[in-house]
Amino acid sequence: GDSVTQMEGPVTLSEEAFLTINCTYTATGYPSLFWYVQYPGEGLQLLLKATKADDKGSNKGFEATYRKETTSFHLEKGSVQVSDSAVYFCALDSSNTGKLIFGQGTTLQVKP
Amino acid sequence: ETGVTQSPTHLIKTRGQQVTLRCSSQSGHNTVSWYQQALGQGPQFIFQYYREEENGRGNFPPRFSGLQFPNYSSELNVNALELDDSALYLCASSPLGAGAQETQYFGPGTRLLVL
Repeated sequence: GDSVTQMEGPVTLSEEAFLTINCTYTATGYPSLFWYVQYPGEGLQLLLKATKADDKGSNKGFEATYRKETTSFHLEKGSVQVSDSAVYFCALDSSNTGKLIFGQGTTLQVKP
Repeated sequence: ETGVTQSPTHLIKTRGQQVTLRCSSQSGHNTVSWYQQALGQGPQFIFQYYREEENGRGNFPPRFSGLQFPNYSSELNVNALELDDSALYLCASSPLGAGAQETQYFGPGTRLLVL
């Protein structure tokens, strides 16, 4: 079945460091791909998405490119801030119905 | 602020009991999905409702059931609670028809503890 695998955390970085969180997927067909962020005590917020191969999603300095050849959707940010500390989830929707399959999440901790 | 609210925020039940969790979607959002998020894990899809009808179900037993109402509210009911049902339950709503092109808006969740 369809699945999403994320790099294990926690990831601890200093402020202004470069961030990469790896995400690979297995899916039949051509899924849409998403990154969600969960701040402490809050629900999930959509960070960015890409709906077809080679699309780049971007928001708030974060970006991810849909790579069909490597079945990946890695999240990157050039300079992280303390306020980026949260749990990041990669997800896919293979049936275009809004039924999301999530990875296990990666905790990011940014220290001043 | 997504406009999706859930109640209660926390709940403690004992094994074998029944529970009802509630979600209020944004006005105009006629698709609602429910997810279970165990501690340290990603959310797992339970089911989705579209215009008050079930529109797909994940790998959850029939004791997980739901309802969607015309006023954009919905319920998740769980019968015969088990210890493994302890989790954060999230609802997510989206406007118009169901589809990946539509952004899903998540509520803050209800944390259920089963003792």
